[in-house]
Amino acid sequence: GAGVSQSPSNKVTEKGKDVELRCDPISGHTALYWYRQRLGQGLEFLIYFQGNSAPDKSGLPSDRFSAERTGESVSTLTIQRTQQEDSAVYLCASSSPLRRGRAWGYTFGSGTRLTVV
Amino acid sequence: AQSVTQPDIHITVSEGASLELRCNYSYGATPYLFWYVQSPGQGLQLLLKYFSGDTLVQGIKGFEAEFKRSQSSFNLRKPSVHWSDAAEYFCAVGGDDKIIFGKGTRLHILP
Repeated sequence: GAGVSQSPSNKVTEKGKDVELRCDPISGHTALYWYRQRLGQGLEFLIYFQGNSAPDKSGLPSDRFSAERTGESVSTLTIQRTQQEDSAVYLCASSSPLRRGRAWGYTFGSGTRLTVV
Repeated sequence: AQSVTQPDIHITVSEGASLELRCNYSYGATPYLFWYVQSPGQGLQLLLKYFSGDTLVQGIKGFEAEFKRSQSSFNLRKPSVHWSDAAEYFCAVGGDDKIIFGKGTRLHILP
């Protein structure tokens, strides 16, 4: 598609429930990233996928968080047993391969606003 | 480990005045550097980026930034701000993989 698409745009869930957030990257973008932005805060890196390489999961805050990506397409971020501190906007971004000196694009989706009540 | 520091949480300037937003980074090699803007209720928009070459980078909306290796800085500047520039500004650093964002500087514009 023309941009990075995230769904749902808003999600309200009860504490303890599991949620799945979806990201459709730009076609041809081999890299995909998930970030979390709590209210009034900066972007916190969660996880990074690059092609068929093992994902960089160094930013996942706990084992309740996991993410998968099918090839170079859709990614799903799953949060199990949600807690109130998980309330945030979850942003996905995709990019073409990073190469110095070449055209480069790192495009964000509009995010999913997750509210845990 | 890579990191980004934006020392000013809030900045207030008068419309028409000049602006400088500070950004310091830590990175083991020559970094990629970015500035993004996020308006209220909006997504992130890339203002400018530095990969290599000329250390003074021009971006959209009249913004520029200067990469100073000796100071590990990439400060954002604009000679004359407009009320529409009120937003949150994020500096980011990365290499050939992920990029890491600073905590942001919220810019307020006085009429």
